[in-house]
Amino acid sequence: AQRVTQPEKLLSVFKGAPVELKCNYSYSGSPELFWYVQYSRQRLQLLLRHISRESIKGFTADLNKGETSFHLKKPFAQEEDSAMYYCALSAAAGNKLTFGGGTRVLVKP
Amino acid sequence: GAVVSQHPSWVICKSGTSVKIECRSLDFQATTMFWYRQFPKQSLMLMATSNEGSKATYEQGVEKDKFLINHASLTLSTLTVTSAHPEDSSFYICSARDSRLATGELFFGEGSRLTVL
Repeated sequence: AQRVTQPEKLLSVFKGAPVELKCNYSYSGSPELFWYVQYSRQRLQLLLRHISRESIKGFTADLNKGETSFHLKKPFAQEEDSAMYYCALSAAAGNKLTFGGGTRVLVKP
Repeated sequence: GAVVSQHPSWVICKSGTSVKIECRSLDFQATTMFWYRQFPKQSLMLMATSNEGSKATYEQGVEKDKFLINHASLTLSTLTVTSAHPEDSSFYICSARDSRLATGELFFGEGSRLTVL
């Protein structure tokens, strides 16, 4: 069975401060990990995926297979980063996604 | 990116009636679509995988006779909530995979909010 855990329901930071959203997963195989973001009144959209190893909107995430983690980080949070963030796991490309519980990020001015 | 559209965006119905929600891939073909349910302040829970031309695969605990899924074409999947009751009130979200992409990225609809009175 695949499982994704996001321990923090809410993260509140000041603008310019670093932010880290934790994500841990359990899966017996080699999963594909994603971070999705949902801004207020908008649909869920892909933020980044571990296979591309890219930085989107200043966010990065590194897959740590030893710790089964895929934490999302940004060194300097901006107010427009306020949103709901979901970590998700897929057993293979195109397969169903299992979502974590989500973390709401609030960036204060 | 690819666009997935859901209709209606919101619907209110009386208890005991059936409601159909459509999910369309607008600019790509989707052999597979996924239906999720989201309760307030909770995460997305996968209900079923909709496969074009074949029966949907339901997750454990999801009543297939309650939530009918039809994927009759490569651009349309429908979810019908039959004999809806207040506990079926929720936010239903579909997603689709663009088979042209090897990345596995799923594209999500805007969601449909169902309120059963």
